[in-house]
Amino acid sequence: EAGVAQSPRYKIIEKRQSVAFWCNPISGHATLYWYQQILGQGPKLLIQFQNNGVVDDSQLPKDRFSAERLKGVDSTLKIQPAKLEDSAVYLCASSSRLGGEANEQFFGPGTRLTVL
Amino acid sequence: DQQVKQNSPSLSVQEGRISILNCDYTNSMFDYFLWYKKYPAEGPTFLISISSIKDKNEDGRFTVFLNKSAKHLSLHIVPSQPGDSAVYFCAAMYSGGGADGLTFGKGTHLIIQP
Repeated sequence: EAGVAQSPRYKIIEKRQSVAFWCNPISGHATLYWYQQILGQGPKLLIQFQNNGVVDDSQLPKDRFSAERLKGVDSTLKIQPAKLEDSAVYLCASSSRLGGEANEQFFGPGTRLTVL
Repeated sequence: DQQVKQNSPSLSVQEGRISILNCDYTNSMFDYFLWYKKYPAEGPTFLISISSIKDKNEDGRFTVFLNKSAKHLSLHIVPSQPGDSAVYFCAAMYSGGGADGLTFGKGTHLIIQP
């Protein structure tokens, strides 16, 4: 079974530029998550999708971050414009169900973003 | 305000001995707790979980203990092996609201000494 795929693996941009990250979850997984992991911190949830609907985006800085999952499969996360403090690893995760007992979230390798 | 805390940034243990990683939480709404392991340049991988209605869950060399009254959990690895060297994240979730995103601690870097 293929894991969660993310691209690009690394990205360096100047502040005020735009950037987009792509995620392809494990086949059949209806729930998709984007997390931000700043150096020295644990991952922080940005947004959660169930199929193509948003379940939770309470921690997404909506003035500059946006995410979509139009066909309920792969997803893109965009930052526009980027700030220095957006430098982090962006992790995508997927799981097979929503809610109920704790279900395992499978993480991709992440995209490391550096904003100069 | 950190709701999940791992107060030891690093821990060094001899191969073959027991590794004990600790985690505290503040939000009493959390009803599931999970441990993830992370190697450099890889995403976190799930290790073990425990429901708040239990006080212990065991899976091979890994055991998680939950003390709900103290809002404390710990992960025991026995015996510790070189491949266990990684960063371990404690995570918590509330399953009752539909959204089930995880709240993570900052992680503990476990180093297994030969």
